[in-house]
Amino acid sequence: DAKTTQPPSMDCAEGRAANLPCNHSTISGNEYVYWYRQIHSQGPQYIIHGLKNNETNEMASLIITEDRKSSTLILPHATLRDTAVYYCIVRAVFGNEKLTFGTGTRLTIIP
Amino acid sequence: DGGITQSPKYLFRKEGQNVTLSCEQNLNHDAMYWYRQDPGQGLRLIYYSQIVNDFQKGDIAEGYSVSREKKESFPLTVTSAQKNPTAFYLCASSTPFAGAYNEQFFGPGTRLTVL
Repeated sequence: DAKTTQPPSMDCAEGRAANLPCNHSTISGNEYVYWYRQIHSQGPQYIIHGLKNNETNEMASLIITEDRKSSTLILPHATLRDTAVYYCIVRAVFGNEKLTFGTGTRLTIIP
Repeated sequence: DGGITQSPKYLFRKEGQNVTLSCEQNLNHDAMYWYRQDPGQGLRLIYYSQIVNDFQKGDIAEGYSVSREKKESFPLTVTSAQKNPTAFYLCASSTPFAGAYNEQFFGPGTRLTVL
């Protein structure tokens, strides 16, 4: 699975949009981008995934660049409960089922 | 309620003792996984199982053992051979072979401390 690079930490004001970047310059054609988050001392929670088109669900939006070498997770109206570590993961769909977690981005929402 | 349960939430053991961590799911998922997390680090895969009576080593299997006798259960034994067993252990499950939509569902974790 391709390696990802994320900033170690970010702050965002409550009510504003939180934009979390991820670089995955060695991503291959059959690999998806997944985002999970982990609130302190809990299990990670799936947020969203995408291949090349932008995706949106009730939790977030995922913007993937045209060359697929980077992506941005957007939390449109951040709340205090969004404070967590966010992991960007790239993995092939078939064959290898494991998720390779890096150290992620620690997002802190400021009141 | 469907989900994954791990028990206990906190576990203390003396050095040299084997300890078994429980993981049960009622999501009817075929695949189950064990991860280890150390402070400030991401998750590392210990073992995974895609079907009953079958499992594969992950990235850090040394000092651990698993069994998968039932679809619902995937217990992890931390043996005395594991050099640094103190960690946060997370169990997950998913439906494999579902393409991109096979997200993994995680349990609440067990924090193991070896004294």
